[in-house]
This record gives sequence, C-alpha cells and structure tokens, in this order.
Amino acid sequence: DAGVIQSPRHEVTEMGQEVTLRCKPISGHDYLFWYRQTMMRGLELLIYFNNNVPIDDSGMPEDRFSAKMPNASFSTLKIQPSEPRDSAVYFCASRDGGVAGYTFGSGTRLTVV
Amino acid sequence: KQEVTQIPAALSVPEGENLVLNCSFTDSAIYNLQWFRQDPGKGLTSLLLIQSSQREQTSGRLNASLDKSSGRSTLYIAASQPGDSATYLCAASSNSGYALNFGKGTSLLVTP
Repeated sequence: DAGVIQSPRHEVTEMGQEVTLRCKPISGHDYLFWYRQTMMRGLELLIYFNNNVPIDDSGMPEDRFSAKMPNASFSTLKIQPSEPRDSAVYFCASRDGGVAGYTFGSGTRLTVV
Repeated sequence: KQEVTQIPAALSVPEGENLVLNCSFTDSAIYNLQWFRQDPGKGLTSLLLIQSSQREQTSGRLNASLDKSSGRSTLYIAASQPGDSATYLCAASSNSGYALNFGKGTSLLVTP
C-alpha cells in the first residue's frame, strides 16, 4: 500500500481565499483523522471519522473549517475564508478498527499571506 | 480526553549514550500509546505501538514501556547515534475515543 496520501504538499494562498486539503487513507482503514501542527500548540486533533461518519469535530477551530468524507477512500478539509493564523502543517492519518497503529500522511504545509 | 506531557522538552547527548524519554498521560483507561519520530519539516514516522494490555514493545535499539497505574511511558534508546537526532512524540488514546492526543515532543540532539 502507498500509505496515507495527502495533497497538495504545499499551499500558499491569500487571506480570504478558499483552501481545500485532500486525503486518501489506507485501503481498509475505517478511521480517518485530521490534525494540525503549529510550533505554539503542537499537534491538535481537528476531527475524526469512523466509516465515513464524523465522530468528533470538537477540535475544529471555527465555522470557517469544514471536513467531509464522501467515501471510504477520500476526505477533504476546507477552510473558507482562510486567515493568516490558519498557517500550519495539516496532517491526515488513518487506522483500522483493530489493534494496528495510526499511519500519518506526509502533511500539507499551508501558508496564508 | 488524554492530556499528554513529555519531559524533557529538549535533550542533547554525546553519541553512544543510552537515554530515556519520558511521557505521562492523565487517563488510566488508555486504549493504546504510540511513539513517533519527526524529522524537521517532515511527517511522523511510527516507532512503537503499545496496546493497553501490553507492558512494553521493542524494535532494534528502541524499547518502550507502559505503566497504566502511574500514567507513564518511557522510550529507551540504546547506544544513541547522530542519526537518532529528531523530535520524538508520544501520543495516547482513551477507551472513550480512538483519537490520539499528542505531547509537545522531546527534541533530541545526538552529537558525534
């Protein structure tokens, strides 16, 4: 398996623009997680899905953030409108429902100017 | 929700030393605990996963332990090498939810 695949790797956008981050989990994994990493706050959970259903979105910072998982092989994290304080590295991770660990993607480095 | 703390925040050791990184968590109803390595500007590489029913896991020069009663885990690195220089992250999940909660990490520098 190619692992968890995220795109794009880097994104630079202007304040106010819409940003969409994409994630393809490992086939067969039924949990998908979105995390954000900053120097100040470290790695924070934004939202996670089980079998494509959002389970906990309490980490989503505000209504500008939304996430979807239309099928088992694809998820998006959207920020609209983007702000400079959204600049961070966004990671996607997946795991199966058994005893296996979590596998992380390579991340998307977002810069909002 | 698990609150995870890692001590020390930074550590510098000469090559060849054995070292211990510490991690503490607040919820003894832990589901599992995972140690990761992160190189600058890179993603997370899984090192070791310990299930709640296990006491330790080993991989090569790495050994991780789990003590649920005291809410602690340690990552032991034997015979450290400059290539071990990275940030080491501890993450734990609870029985009430499967999301990993991360510590802030320990930044390790191994000098030749």
